[in-house]
Amino acid sequence: DTAVSQTPKYLVTQMGNDKSIKCEQNLGHDTMYWYKQDSKKFLKIMFSYNNKELIINETVPNRFSPKSPDKAHLNLHINSLELGDSAVYFCASSYLRTVRETQYFGPGTRLLVL
Amino acid sequence: AQKITQTQPGMFVQEKEAVTLDCTYDTSDQSYGLFWYKQPSSGEMIFLIYQGSYDEQNATEGRYSLNFQKARKSANLVISASQLGDSAMYFCAMREGWEAAGNKLTFGGGTRVLVKP
Repeated sequence: DTAVSQTPKYLVTQMGNDKSIKCEQNLGHDTMYWYKQDSKKFLKIMFSYNNKELIINETVPNRFSPKSPDKAHLNLHINSLELGDSAVYFCASSYLRTVRETQYFGPGTRLLVL
Repeated sequence: AQKITQTQPGMFVQEKEAVTLDCTYDTSDQSYGLFWYKQPSSGEMIFLIYQGSYDEQNATEGRYSLNFQKARKSANLVISASQLGDSAMYFCAMREGWEAAGNKLTFGGGTRVLVKP
């Protein structure tokens, strides 16, 4: 069974469109994350939710809106897509308890904005 | 300033040899955790090994070991007996502090390893 899953795996869309990426984890973790990996492979945190509450909100355009309907799901909605949004978006999950908690990543969603 | 620095953008290693990937970090927290992840060409992020700032022993997981030098703020990954399947990008990452807001992982720029047969 996949521990952290994301859909879709690939997303090709036109500039200006709105799209969503879904993430689900079956590890029983209480915290979920969105990371963005750019074309140079640099990974950066975007958001984190703990038990459906937003706890990390990095400097991300407000066209990006995360939603956590329950602690096993974290979705990312992107409005008015721009060329610069092309990247790989990773969902991850972990427990929040200590610094030791490992974050487990989903397979990534490759977004290409044309 | 960069919180995590990986100075080797890419390196070759001969199959069956050991390779050391460098990672230096910058934090003023006393409590922090250091992680290494592998990203093969297929794109997924695979957790390899963890070292806590208070851990007295260097972490080991199978062929992976961590050379943790706290005073130098370095946490180098050693892969022993390299295999062709070790060809990938390797990322060093850090989590700082105990608070929820510090729960994010800060990543280095990565090192690409290519294992030669």
